[in-house]
Amino acid sequence: KQEVTQIPAALSVPEGENLVLNCSFTDSAIYNLQWFRQDPGKGLTSLLLIQSSQREQTSGRLNASLDKSSGRSTLYIAASQPGDSATYLCAPNPDSSYKLIFGSGTRLLVRP
Amino acid sequence: DTGVSQDPRHKITKRGQNVTFRCDPISEHNRLYWYRQTLGQGPEFLTYFQNEAQLEKSRLLSDRFSAERPKGSFSTLEIQRTEQGDSAMYLCAGAGNLRETQYFGPGTRLLVL
Repeated sequence: KQEVTQIPAALSVPEGENLVLNCSFTDSAIYNLQWFRQDPGKGLTSLLLIQSSQREQTSGRLNASLDKSSGRSTLYIAASQPGDSATYLCAPNPDSSYKLIFGSGTRLLVRP
Repeated sequence: DTGVSQDPRHKITKRGQNVTFRCDPISEHNRLYWYRQTLGQGPEFLTYFQNEAQLEKSRLLSDRFSAERPKGSFSTLEIQRTEQGDSAMYLCAGAGNLRETQYFGPGTRLLVL
């Protein structure tokens, strides 16, 4: 059974810092992995999708890496801003299914 | 805006009542997913459809839960005889045929008193 762990559970940083969010998963048989952000009480917004054959995917100030064999993904946020404050969720898509398996997320606060 | 809408956005009900939620994806979304999210946790998969066919169901989906997608467009999720443990955010997501990005709706927050 796929289990997804996100570390840290919460993070508070001053504006302008570069930061790394970590995601680990127990079953490396994944098709792809998505990173989402979720604002309080809202739905999920897709940030990046990285295929299992890829090592990195970039969008603006965001960069996601994937090491499938070791069961790890990281989300790098450059020059953080208060508007980045949200919960960040990673979700691998197993080879055997079309569903996403979510971690509990990292709650990020960027202080002005 | 992902184009996926859900109705209602909030629902308060008493234990034992039945509730029904609706999800409207965009027309290109052949796949439609339902997830449930409790406070402080990530979403958990409930079920998904490809067009009108329900292809996978989680063990979380007890016999009190039923989902339909009768014409391959909108979907409904019904919970019968609600229990306090059903209180959660119910999220719907749409996707195309390929294993691509899932686009989530705003969710329906259910509170069972």
